[in-house]
Amino acid sequence: DVQLVESGGGLVQPGGSLRLSCAASGFNFRNYGMNWVRQAPGKGLEWISYFGTNSTTYYADSVKGRFTISRDNAKNTLYLQMSNLRVEDTAVYFCASAYCSDGSCYVVPEYWGQGTLVTVSS
Amino acid sequence: SYELTQTPSVSVSPGQTARITCSGDALPKRYAYWYQQKSGQAPVLVIYEDTKRPSGIPERFSGSSSGTMATLTISGARVEDEADYYCYSTVRSDHPVFGGGTTLTVL
Repeated sequence: DVQLVESGGGLVQPGGSLRLSCAASGFNFRNYGMNWVRQAPGKGLEWISYFGTNSTTYYADSVKGRFTISRDNAKNTLYLQMSNLRVEDTAVYFCASAYCSDGSCYVVPEYWGQGTLVTVSS
Repeated sequence: SYELTQTPSVSVSPGQTARITCSGDALPKRYAYWYQQKSGQAPVLVIYEDTKRPSGIPERFSGSSSGTMATLTISGARVEDEADYYCYSTVRSDHPVFGGGTTLTVL
């Protein structure tokens, strides 16, 4: 079974930094694109970043230049380095494996972790 | 920026058919995906590529798409189907977007 476990969330001051991790198991991690999606308290889902199998990366405009996605295939782990955090970045952050078919992966979340809460507040 | 528009709430009685819609200008050219999110839980993909149902998703969940509108249909809705439902699509592969979500009430 696919398992995705996020960690690294917590309370951080505006302007601060935080690194989230997502430990993956139950599938061949290196063959799948990976996404980060967030959900502010009481709000809807917001896709924020993708890391493809060919090292292609995409970012939502809301985080571009502040967040960096990366992955370590040897450790089956996805990361999100967040810097210059703002109050509006407060959210539960989910990692999600990408939907892949016929050898191609798409920027479509398929399996999701349970999320980790990031709170940006002074 | 591109948007997907969903009705904020839908309410049906148990056993009735619930239809949740998602509109967007790119939908004639792009697939729609649907996620179910129950309170306090992670989202679950229930429909992909407009009409396909992942393994383990009950047959009462179906999807369709016509023109600028995609529809998630739950035939014979059950109380356990109460959840928020989100559509998802991409204008370009590097700019995907979720709809605002629809809260389904079954009572």
